[in-house]
Amino acid sequence: KAGVTQTPRYLIKTRGQQVTLSCSPISGHRSVSWYQQTPGQGLQFLFEYFSETQRNKGNFPGRFSGRQFSNSRSEMNVSTLELGDSALYLCASNGRNEQFFGPGTRLTVL
Amino acid sequence: SQQGEEDPQALSIQEGENATMNCSYKTSINNLQWYRQNSGRGLVHLILIRSNEREKHSGRLRVTLDTSKKSSSLLITASRAADTASYFCATATLNTGGFKTIFGAGTRLFVKA
Repeated sequence: KAGVTQTPRYLIKTRGQQVTLSCSPISGHRSVSWYQQTPGQGLQFLFEYFSETQRNKGNFPGRFSGRQFSNSRSEMNVSTLELGDSALYLCASNGRNEQFFGPGTRLTVL
Repeated sequence: SQQGEEDPQALSIQEGENATMNCSYKTSINNLQWYRQNSGRGLVHLILIRSNEREKHSGRLRVTLDTSKKSSSLLITASRAADTASYFCATATLNTGGFKTIFGAGTRLFVKA
């Protein structure tokens, strides 16, 4: 069974740009969650998608958005990037009781 | 605010010693999970304990859960240098929208060879 894949693994952007990150969950999993990890704030929940619908949302501004496709792959988008958006973005493939995390995308905003 | 709070924030021990990390949370949960993260990489799931369980073992790991005190502990026995990592607890609450998982701030464990 293939694990959770995230692309790209590393990304460097400048302030004001936008970025799209991708996550492919474990085959058969219909729910995907996104998290942001920074040294100062730790791991914070962004949103969760289930069957192409956003089911849960954390406390992030509207610049952070996501979507899920019919094959369960998910993307998250951050528009008008700020320096504080530099972080490790983790995607989790949600099973019945357990989350399986991908390796993350490290985003650096200059 | 984060659900889980971990204690200590950092722990340094010698190889062979035991390491104990604690996690406290605020609201009722369905389960609690412990994860390991090496140096900014992805999270590795270690163990899940359900709200109706009190203790679980997995190899050198022992997790306890006290729902009356809203706390959990992770014990790593006979630690090894390879156990050096950050350890996070995560509480999962099931609502009409599905599971919502909230992570603690983590404990940084250093195991000296």
